[in-house]
Amino acid sequence: GDSVTQMEGPVTLSEEAFLTINCTYTATGYPSLFWYVQYPGEGLQLLLKATKADDKGSNKGFEATYRKETTSFHLEKGSVQVSDSAVYFCALSDRGGSYIPTFGRGTSLIVHP
Amino acid sequence: NAGVTQTPKFQVLKTGQSMTLQCAQDMNHNSMYWYRQDPGMGLRLIYYSASEGTTDKGEVPNGYNVSRLNKREFSLRLESAAPSQTSVYFCASSDLRSEQYFGPGTRLTVT
Repeated sequence: GDSVTQMEGPVTLSEEAFLTINCTYTATGYPSLFWYVQYPGEGLQLLLKATKADDKGSNKGFEATYRKETTSFHLEKGSVQVSDSAVYFCALSDRGGSYIPTFGRGTSLIVHP
Repeated sequence: NAGVTQTPKFQVLKTGQSMTLQCAQDMNHNSMYWYRQDPGMGLRLIYYSASEGTTDKGEVPNGYNVSRLNKREFSLRLESAAPSQTSVYFCASSDLRSEQYFGPGTRLTVT
C-alpha cells in the first residue's frame, strides 16, 4: 500500500536559519503530493502541493519539488521565523487509487528568536 | 465561506455517556472524513464518506458510528464513551483525491 515517511522531530532552529524537512513516499499509482501545516490548537491547513513530476509547489516562502526518481518531496525554507513554529505533515493522494489520503506522522518545528 | 465547521469545540464526558460530533462544509465537496489525533500517533482515519450516501471504515472505527446526513454534513457518534477515546477529532472534506480542508477540531476528554 501507499506510505509516507518524514523525518522525526522536533527540529529546532534559530530564526533566519535554513529549513529542510525530508519526506519520501511509496505509491502504487501516480500520486499528488502535499504539505500541510498545523499551528498550535488549530486544524491542518494546506501549505503547498504538486501534482506531477518536477512540479514545484511554493507558498509563504516554503518550497517543495516533486522528485519522481527519488520518490521525495522535501520541504525547504531559506529563512525561518518564530511564527513558522508548527507541525508539518507530508501527504499523498493516489489519483489512481483509493479515496483515502496517506499522511506522514508529522514533524514538529520549533524556531527560537 | 466558512469552510469546514465543527461543533462542539470542547467536550468532557463520563465513561459510558454518548455524544455526537457535528461537521459541516460549504465547499460542495463530495468526500468527507473523520480523524483522531493523539500525541505521537499522527492522524488516524476513523471513517470516511467518498460521496453522499456512502460511508466506509478507516483505520480505527471501533467504538464509533457515522452518518452522512446530506452532502454538507457528516456526523460522528460515540455510543458509549471510553477513556481511550480521549483525543482531538478533526473533520475534513475534499474533492475526489485532491487536497483536504480541515475543521478546527473538537477536543474530547472522557473521564
